[in-house]
Amino acid sequence: EVQLVESGGGLVQPGRSLRLSCAASGFTFDDYAMHWVRQAPGKGLEWVSGISWSSTNIGYADSVKGRFTISRDNAKNSLYLQMNSLGAEDTALYYCAKDISGAGTYYFDYWGLGTLVTVSS
Amino acid sequence: EIVMTQSPATLSVSPGERATLSCRASQSVSSNLAWYQQKPGQAPRLLIYAASTRATGIAARFSGSGSGTEFTLTISSLQSEDFAVYYCQQYNNWPETFGQGTKVEIK
Repeated sequence: EVQLVESGGGLVQPGRSLRLSCAASGFTFDDYAMHWVRQAPGKGLEWVSGISWSSTNIGYADSVKGRFTISRDNAKNSLYLQMNSLGAEDTALYYCAKDISGAGTYYFDYWGLGTLVTVSS
Repeated sequence: EIVMTQSPATLSVSPGERATLSCRASQSVSSNLAWYQQKPGQAPRLLIYAASTRATGIAARFSGSGSGTEFTLTISSLQSEDFAVYYCQQYNNWPETFGQGTKVEIK
């Protein structure tokens, strides 16, 4: 059974940093691209970032480019999102999602339950 | 960035009736479009990919159509468990983008 479990969320002050993790199991992690998608309270879905199986193909939404860094450790079956210079607009539930391909340019067949990031002083 | 626009924002439908949801792309995404269903407090669930292919385990009452810039999700006979928010997503280009969602509510 595919499982994606996010962690690392919490309350953080504006301008500070946070690192999210996603632990994957139930599939061959290094065969697939992975993504982060966020959802602000009461709002819709926003793709944040994606990374191919080999980390050679990485993309970011314009809203986070230069502040967020996605990475993965295939040996640990884990996906990460380093978030710097956080602002109130980054407050959201952050989902980890599995791509159906290794390249990262497709849709998402499994999602985690999300980890909540709240940016507030 | 490709902008995805869904309509209507809210659709009020009686159980057993047909629901038709629309999604428009600001430029062609070919057939690289997916639909997701999200219920309160849950993660999104993949319904349709490649514009018209049902994902594994998805009921036949869900169907998708369209290509290029105009897409439709049809639920042929709404069941109680279908009342939710539906999102379209284009994966033709990065950044992948979602529509703002259509809420299907009980009439």
